[in-house]
Amino acid sequence: DVKVTQSSRYLVKRTGEKVFLECVQDMDHENMFWYRQDPGLGLRLIYFSYDVKMKEKGDIPEGYSVSREKKERFSLILESASTNQTSMYLCASSRDYGYTFGSGTRLTVV
Amino acid sequence: GNSVTQMEGPVTLSEEAFLTINCTYTATGYPSLFWYVQYPGEGLQLLLKATKADDKGSNKGFEATYRKETTSFHLEKGSVQVSDSAVYFCALSGNTGFQKLVFGTGTRLLVSP
Repeated sequence: DVKVTQSSRYLVKRTGEKVFLECVQDMDHENMFWYRQDPGLGLRLIYFSYDVKMKEKGDIPEGYSVSREKKERFSLILESASTNQTSMYLCASSRDYGYTFGSGTRLTVV
Repeated sequence: GNSVTQMEGPVTLSEEAFLTINCTYTATGYPSLFWYVQYPGEGLQLLLKATKADDKGSNKGFEATYRKETTSFHLEKGSVQVSDSAVYFCALSGNTGFQKLVFGTGTRLLVSP
């Protein structure tokens, strides 16, 4: 079965820490995405990548960066975590239509 | 730009009731339309899709018809079960080149026995 795997289900980090969220897919998909999900706001796109070493800003990139050194791995980086980055983070991959999502990482910044 | 509007929840139903979750969209051209479902503690799963006008997507008893004249893609199920309790997201993507999915805000469905 095809999979998108996010390395952690739950994370608790302190304000100011540098945080890495990892996502790996085994479907040889070109496109990968990072969203955050907040109540009442739905899913908002942070960054996406359509090829290795390529990245594009989504709707809310401020405070985040990404890295895609290999096709199967897409990392989201919070340079200096803040409490307003407490959220559920969802990674997804796609080739054309239909995204496959990971199970999500619930990040709490204290 | 492209956008999706869903009815606000929660939608609360008894088991075996009829379900409708409304979704309308704004888009240029001819987008593809999707419904995703998120069960508690999980990521999103594709439920069904339609890629052109008048197409009907269906899966697990759920159906949605792509209505270009009303720019709608309402989700329906004839008889809901407790196990259908989840958050449902309507989404669209363009059909040319690389296109991102645009999601609605989600509608929570609660089904009681």
